[in-house]
Amino acid sequence: NAGVMQNPRHLVRRRGQEARLRCSPMKGHSHVYWYRQLPEEGLKFMVYLQKENIIDESGMPKERFSAEFPKEGPSILRIQQVVRGDSAAYFCAAAQVMNTEAFFGQGTRLTVV
Amino acid sequence: QQQVKQSPQSLIVQKGGISIINCAYENTAFDYFPWYQQFPGKGPALLIAIRPDVSEKKEGRFTISFNKSAKQFSLHIMDSQPGDSATYFCAAEEDGGTSYGKLTFGQGTILTVHP
Repeated sequence: NAGVMQNPRHLVRRRGQEARLRCSPMKGHSHVYWYRQLPEEGLKFMVYLQKENIIDESGMPKERFSAEFPKEGPSILRIQQVVRGDSAAYFCAAAQVMNTEAFFGQGTRLTVV
Repeated sequence: QQQVKQSPQSLIVQKGGISIINCAYENTAFDYFPWYQQFPGKGPALLIAIRPDVSEKKEGRFTISFNKSAKQFSLHIMDSQPGDSATYFCAAEEDGGTSYGKLTFGQGTILTVHP
């Protein structure tokens, strides 16, 4: 998973602020997945993106959360008006082509105070 | 329902012993079953995976046993070592997925191997 870079590694936000989490897959890895991991729980799928397209956002909360993966640059997971319940580790995973393993980044630990 | 249930929640094993973690699923559309290993502060890393056309897969000290009729699968770690101490997650993905990335995870098992 060393090829998937996430930043920042740790992010502290006050309630009501915006959080932006970035995921930079290895070159050629055009399938990106975002997951959320609450304390002592498994990872929950949030959204699946390919370059410039959202393929599956069935796990995304309906409000305050959005994701993008532009033609150039990293994938961004954006959380507006954060609340304490958003405190979690957010992981992205990236795959090169269809039917190949997706590799996880080291995650961003978001703390809302 | 898209759940994968994992047990036990935590497991303590002596060095050299066998660690066994079990998972059960309900969605018969699942057709890819990986296990991930996660160390503190790190992302999950794929350990071993199986598809339902085989009942067992072995890679080194790690073995997946798969029972399609019971909708259960398990991870066996032989000759467990202190370095195996980590959180283990089972997962599953549906048939027709475009890549092995949209996974349904179990709740995780914290494995501690005592020297």
